[in-house]
Amino acid sequence: RKEVEQDPGPFNVPEGATVAFNCTYSNSASQSFFWYRQDCRKEPKLLMSVYSSGNEDGRFTAQLNRASQYISLLIRDSKLSDSATYLCVVNYDNAGNMLTFGGGTRLMVKP
Amino acid sequence: GAVVSQHPSWVICKSGTSVKIECRSLDFQATTMFWYRQFPKQSLMLMATSNEGSKATYEQGVEKDKFLINHASLTLSTLTVTSAHPEDSSFYICSTKMGNQPQHFGDGTRLSIL
Repeated sequence: RKEVEQDPGPFNVPEGATVAFNCTYSNSASQSFFWYRQDCRKEPKLLMSVYSSGNEDGRFTAQLNRASQYISLLIRDSKLSDSATYLCVVNYDNAGNMLTFGGGTRLMVKP
Repeated sequence: GAVVSQHPSWVICKSGTSVKIECRSLDFQATTMFWYRQFPKQSLMLMATSNEGSKATYEQGVEKDKFLINHASLTLSTLTVTSAHPEDSSFYICSTKMGNQPQHFGDGTRLSIL
């Protein structure tokens, strides 16, 4: 079993749609959680951290359920520029050094 | 602005060549840098943690004699892929972090071994 699991997709959605991605992690001792965005042939870029209380940044909302070891990302009013691979990332140590990446979920937003 | 600069961005070379990749932290001192590798359609995998002034810590299955890491200053870590072969072709990415902030990644280096 992978430590961080994501549906690879692709999710094909029209512009303006709302789309949700899920991620599960296996290590209950995980400390912190992130969503990164990776464009084709580019480096990952931090989209947002995920907090236990849930957090929102514009059109993006992240949720964390520690009991179920489950993380989600909701994107509202999808834009063409949202097309990318979204990586669920889990950190296992207090220092933030040990990141484990999910395989990513690919999103394609169509006109 | 960019936090980490990685160079070169793309390398194509013959089998048996050694390739050096540089990772620089911009405007801050990085005592720790991380080296990842990503094969097509796969997730990033941590190869090693580079520590300024001491030996790097390698992940299980990563050959330290194959992937030489040098972190001689607080702003520069280098990864040298020695005697590279086609199976070493991959996307190599470095990262670092400032304090308790999340890791930021360099632009990545796409290595193609013919």
